[in-house]
Amino acid sequence: NAGVTQTPKFRILKIGQSMTLQCTQDMNHNYMYWYRQDPGMGLKLIYYSVGAGITDKGEVPNGYNVSRSTTEDFPLRLELAAPSQTSVYFCASSYIGSNQPQHFGDGTRLSIL
Amino acid sequence: QKEVEQNSGPLSVPEGAIASLNCTYSDRGSQSFFWYRQYSGKSPELIMFIYSNGDKEDGRFTAQLNKASQYVSLLIRDSQPSDSATYLCAVKRQGGSEKLVFGKGTKLTVNP
Repeated sequence: NAGVTQTPKFRILKIGQSMTLQCTQDMNHNYMYWYRQDPGMGLKLIYYSVGAGITDKGEVPNGYNVSRSTTEDFPLRLELAAPSQTSVYFCASSYIGSNQPQHFGDGTRLSIL
Repeated sequence: QKEVEQNSGPLSVPEGAIASLNCTYSDRGSQSFFWYRQYSGKSPELIMFIYSNGDKEDGRFTAQLNKASQYVSLLIRDSQPSDSATYLCAVKRQGGSEKLVFGKGTKLTVNP
C-alpha cells in the first residue's frame, strides 16, 4: 500500500528559486494537509484542503501556495525561496471525522542556500 | 499558554520500566487526542488516539484522558530500546476544520 507519497525526498534550492513539492495519496481521503517541521519543533500547519477545489490557510502560509484539482494530489508551491523556508515538509491526509487520524508521507527535506 | 504543551525532555528510562509522557491543552472544547511516534529523520506514525475520559489500552501502550484537567498522557509499559523516539501529542479542536494542533514533542530514550 502506497499511502501518502511525497516527492522529492531531498532538495537544495538557491535563494529566490521556486519549486513544487508533490504529494499524492491513494486512500481516497477527503482531507489533505501540509506541515513544516523545524529542528526540535513540532509540526506547523501551512495549508490544508477539505476536498478538490477547496483550500485554506493554516498557521504559517506566507511564502507558499497550494492547489487541489483532484482528490489524490495536493502540491505545495514555494515562490522566491528564502533561507527561513529551510525545513522538513510533511504531507498528510485523513478521512472526515473527529476520530480519524492523519496519515503522513515520508517528508521532503528542503535546504535553501 | 500554548495550545498544546509537552515536556520536551529528554526523558530517560531503563529498559523494562514504565515511561510516562504528558500533554496539556488549552482549548476546553477539544474533542480528540492523538499520540504519534517519530523516529529521528522519519515521519510521524500514529500510536493511539483517545476521545473519552479514562484509559485506553493497546498492547504496551495506554492513553489516559482527563478532560476536566485538560490533560492527556501516554504510558509505555516494559519500555524497549526500540521505543526511543520523539512522541508528539496532537489535539483536534471542536468543530469541522479537522485540523490537528501538535505539541513540540517529548524525546524518550530507553537505556538497555
